[in-house]
Amino acid sequence: EVQLTESGGGLVQPGGPLRLSCVASGFTFTNHYMDWVRQAPGKGLEWVARITNGGGSYTTQYAASVRGRFTISRDDSKTSLYLQMNSLKTEDTAVYYCARDSYTALDYWGRGTLVTVSS
Amino acid sequence: QSALTQPPSASGSPGQSVAISCTGTSSDVGGYNYVSWYQQHPGKAPKLMIYEVSKRPSGVPDRFSGSKSGNTASLTVSGLQAEDEADYYCNSYAGSNNFVFGTGTKVTV
Repeated sequence: EVQLTESGGGLVQPGGPLRLSCVASGFTFTNHYMDWVRQAPGKGLEWVARITNGGGSYTTQYAASVRGRFTISRDDSKTSLYLQMNSLKTEDTAVYYCARDSYTALDYWGRGTLVTVSS
Repeated sequence: QSALTQPPSASGSPGQSVAISCTGTSSDVGGYNYVSWYQQHPGKAPKLMIYEVSKRPSGVPDRFSGSKSGNTASLTVSGLQAEDEADYYCNSYAGSNNFVFGTGTKVTV
C-alpha cells in the first residue's frame, strides 16, 4: 500500500524558515517524480514544486510564487522528500501535501501538514 | 501561470448527471493531453479521479468520465450519488515541468 506521511509543519514567524519532510513507503521511490502541493485555508489547490528522479541528478521546478524561497529535495536512501521554505510570508499559510507524480498526474497524496506563518 | 477556470459550484439530484468545465489556454489544457481531475472531501486529501484527459485509475467508478475540446476540459459524473458531494479540481501540465490547478468546483448532490 502506497503511503506518504508529511511532517514538520507548525507556527513560524514571517521571514523565518521551516523544513517539511515526507516519508514514502509501499512503492519504489526511485522510480517516481515527487511534488509538493499546498492549500490555503478555505482556498483551492496550488502546485508548489516538482523534483524528477534520476539517481542523483535531479531536475526541480517551482511555482512562481515560491521560486527563490523554497527548495525541493529528496533522499532516495531514506525514501524521503523535503521542502525547505525560507523567507516565509503570511500568504504561505496552508496545508502542504506531498504527492507521488506519475509524470502526467499526481496519483497518491499524503494527509498534509499545516504551516501557519504569523507573528 | 494563472489558475484554470472552473465554475464555483454545480449540483444535481441523485441519479442525475453533472458536468464541470475547466478552461485554460493553448499553453496548458489545449497544448497537452495531460489533464487530470481530483476529488476532495472536507478535511481530506485530494484523490485522483481522471488522468490524461479521460483515463480512470483502478477503483474509480465508471460513472466518472473526462473529455477535452480545445482549451476546455470537462469532468462528467453520471448517476450522482451522495458520496460524490465534494470539491473537484482540474489540473493540467503547462510545460517545463510546471503544473496548474483549476479554481475548484463544489458539487452538491
